[in-house]
Amino acid sequence: EAQVTQNPRYLITVTGKKLTVTCSQNMNHEYMSWYRQDPGLGLRQIYYSMNVEATDKGDVPEGYKVSRKEKRNFPLILESPSPNQTSLYFCASRKGTGAYEQYFGPGTRLTVT
Amino acid sequence: AQSVAQPEDQVNVAEGNPLTVKCTYSVSGNPYLFWYVQYPNRGLQFLLKYITGDNLVKGSYGFEAEFNKSQTSFHLKKPSALVSDSALYFCAVRAAGTYKYIFGTGTRLKVLA
Repeated sequence: EAQVTQNPRYLITVTGKKLTVTCSQNMNHEYMSWYRQDPGLGLRQIYYSMNVEATDKGDVPEGYKVSRKEKRNFPLILESPSPNQTSLYFCASRKGTGAYEQYFGPGTRLTVT
Repeated sequence: AQSVAQPEDQVNVAEGNPLTVKCTYSVSGNPYLFWYVQYPNRGLQFLLKYITGDNLVKGSYGFEAEFNKSQTSFHLKKPSALVSDSALYFCAVRAAGTYKYIFGTGTRLKVLA
């Protein structure tokens, strides 16, 4: 089944403890992206990747890191999480040039205390 | 700068009545426009897109949207609402030639039986 998977789905952590949220897609998509969803703010793009070893900042990149070493994986790294990073996070992918719609993962609900 | 506005936090409509969810956008250059739907505890699902061509685009589940360049709008419509259409709807824009997506804040649609 074609899909985008995220792990973990739920995470409660403490301020300053490094964490990684994994994202994987099995559709051979070139483009991948991370978003955060907050009430009243909708979805905001954190980082995106056009292909392997090609990433760029979205609108809210502060406090996050990403890497794209393989086409299928696009992990989101929080080196020193803070409470304002408590949010619902979504990973998405799309095929590449000429393709427009994104496929979203199921989401990761992160709470930082 | 790109932006998307969804002026209504919530839209209520009776089952069987037509529905409209509004979206206006601002982007430099040609816009690629999208509607996504989010059901509770799920990721976003693609509904429809406007890239070029006919201003009226048809999508999944009987939804359609009309691109109006002069009014910079891309309103989502359905001729006859179903209770199962109740969900959170997001409008999004990407400027042609770029990789960034901007999402609106979302509109909660409630279809009353």
